[in-house]
Parts: sequence; C-alpha cells; structure tokens
Amino acid sequence: SAVISQKPSRDICQRGTSLTIQCQVDSQVTMMFWYRQQPGQSLTLIATANQGSEATYESGFVIDKFPISRPNLTFSTLTVSNMSPEDSSIYLCSVDPDRSSYNEQFFGPGTRLTVL
Amino acid sequence: QKEVEQDPGPLSVPEGAIVSLNCTYSNSAFQYFMWYRQYSRKGPELLMYTYSSGNKEDGRFTAQVDKSSKYISLFIRDSQPSDSATYLCAMSGSNYQLIWGAGTKLIIKP
Repeated sequence: SAVISQKPSRDICQRGTSLTIQCQVDSQVTMMFWYRQQPGQSLTLIATANQGSEATYESGFVIDKFPISRPNLTFSTLTVSNMSPEDSSIYLCSVDPDRSSYNEQFFGPGTRLTVL
Repeated sequence: QKEVEQDPGPLSVPEGAIVSLNCTYSNSAFQYFMWYRQYSRKGPELLMYTYSSGNKEDGRFTAQVDKSSKYISLFIRDSQPSDSATYLCAMSGSNYQLIWGAGTKLIIKP
C-alpha cells in the first residue's frame, strides 16, 4: 500500500495563470500517474511519470500544457499552464507500488481546481 | 461508444437493501475487473478485483464478471449509510492501462 498527499487541496485561479500541484508518496515507487476527474465523467489519465525519464502523455494531453516533473521516487509535480475555465476539474495523482498484475492504484485526495 | 459504460445515478436505496451496481464494456481483451469506492473529497480506493469471469465475495460485497455478456456487477448486501459513495468500475487487459467507468453515486438512506 501507499499513503499519498497532494498540495494544494483546492485552489481558485484566474484565467491565463498556471498552477503547480504537488504529490508526495510515503514510499519509493517507480510509476506515478496523473488523472483528471470532471463531474459525471470517467477518470482520465493525463500522463504516466517515471523517475529519471520524461513523462508519457495520453492522447489529448501535451507537455506544454501539463508539464510534469519527477525528481525522485517519492515526489512529482503537475503544472496546469495558461489555464482556462475548461481546466476546472479535480486532479489526482496515484501510484502502483506493488506492480500488481491488475494495476492496483493508490490515490491521493485530489486537488480541486476552479478557473475563473 | 465509450469502452466502459456506467450509469452515473444517483442511486438511492433504504438502509438494509441489496444494492446492484453495473458496468458494461466493449473490449473483449479486458482481463482484470475492479471496483473502486470514492468518498466525497477523497481519492478512489480499491474495493475488489476479479480476474476473468466468475464471482468473488468479501464480506457484504460480491463482484461478478460475465465476460460472455461483457457485463460486471457489484452487489452490496445489508447496505449501510457508510456505503454512501461513488463506485467506479475499472478494467484492464495485458497492456496494464486502466479504463474507467464514469462512476455511480450511491446514497443509502437511514
């Protein structure tokens, strides 16, 4: 298992600004995941972040808009750049610490972002 | 058509009732089927997982997979107000990536 914390827990931001979300894990993990969760919709994977390599982005998400850092095995950041109201969502980080065959993921509490 | 379909609800039932939550999917390559529970202002947490077809029971919870119909279910017996949450199904195949349902909001009325 793993315990994950995220900062900030929520924020209200102005259009055109950027917000960096931090994700801290209580153990070393190889893979970290960043998701977006919009009301009434599925969890959408933004990118997978491995320590020591560039993040792998899913279709529809680009590094310029969502730059990710992964400086060590317990920490990652996701930046939401040049924000618009369409970026209002909950952003979640998760890990799969045991590399289980069924990809059991442990999630942080999420960051609730509102863009005005 | 989405790969995984799940009725968003809300589903409201009285305490003590049997709850049935369901997902359908289109990709026959899915092998692992999971149910996550998400309380308000929290991240999802794994409740149960099943490999391939069949049933799996854990206390008041039973997960059922019917691969021939591409249909999975989660049953909750003797439902409690503390079961009120959003339940998300998720599934994966050999490529390891999880595909998620939209989640069903469940409300158990005391």
